Amino acid sequence: GAVVSQHPSRVICKSGTSVKIECRSLDFQATTMFWYRQFPKQSLMLMATSNEGSKATYEQGVEKDKFLINHASLTLSTLTVTSAHPEDSSFYICSAGGTLSNQPQHFGDGTRLSIL
Amino acid sequence: QKEVEQNSGPLSVPEGAIASLNCTYSDRGSQSFFWYRQYSGKSPELIMSIYSNGDKEDGRFTAQLNKASQYVSLLIRDSQPSDSATYLCAVIFGNEKLTFGTGTRLTIIP
Repeated sequence: GAVVSQHPSRVICKSGTSVKIECRSLDFQATTMFWYRQFPKQSLMLMATSNEGSKATYEQGVEKDKFLINHASLTLSTLTVTSAHPEDSSFYICSAGGTLSNQPQHFGDGTRLSIL
Repeated sequence: QKEVEQNSGPLSVPEGAIASLNCTYSDRGSQSFFWYRQYSGKSPELIMSIYSNGDKEDGRFTAQLNKASQYVSLLIRDSQPSDSATYLCAVIFGNEKLTFGTGTRLTIIP
């Protein structure tokens, strides 16, 4: 099945640090990838849709200047949390799927971000 | 607003019994439905996808879809302790975004 790799799996850093998370599709090309955030005991909330070669589409309430997304190739999307603060601590998960819109999304292993 | 609703649980089922998880969705035009399993601290894992009315079986798992009633369910036969997890129902609405329910926490009691 489709494999999505996400790195790093865990980050602990000081407030004010910028953190970059990578999401790679290993055995397929993904023109679209998705970034989610999940707080404890809550469901996944879509943050943004990453589009290869164009600007990301952000969900309402998500600051685009805070969460920078770059999708420079068909197999790699990155999410950078800029000047992270403790309230940004969360579980960040990327996903990618097939080229058809009704195909299921496959998730990376997630990145647990802890801002001290 | 497009919504996906699940009973948050927790749902406790004895080992070996059938676990039944339910989900309703708001958009009658939805065509794609998925069940994901998420263990604590891990990312979601695709269990089943279903696109047509009726049942779809895969091993111990059966997904059931009823578009007229706008519900989709997941049955787990011969429940095992390893099935204990949160099960997320997800629907692709017309705008092609995957929308998740809040998840049902399932506990299989040995």
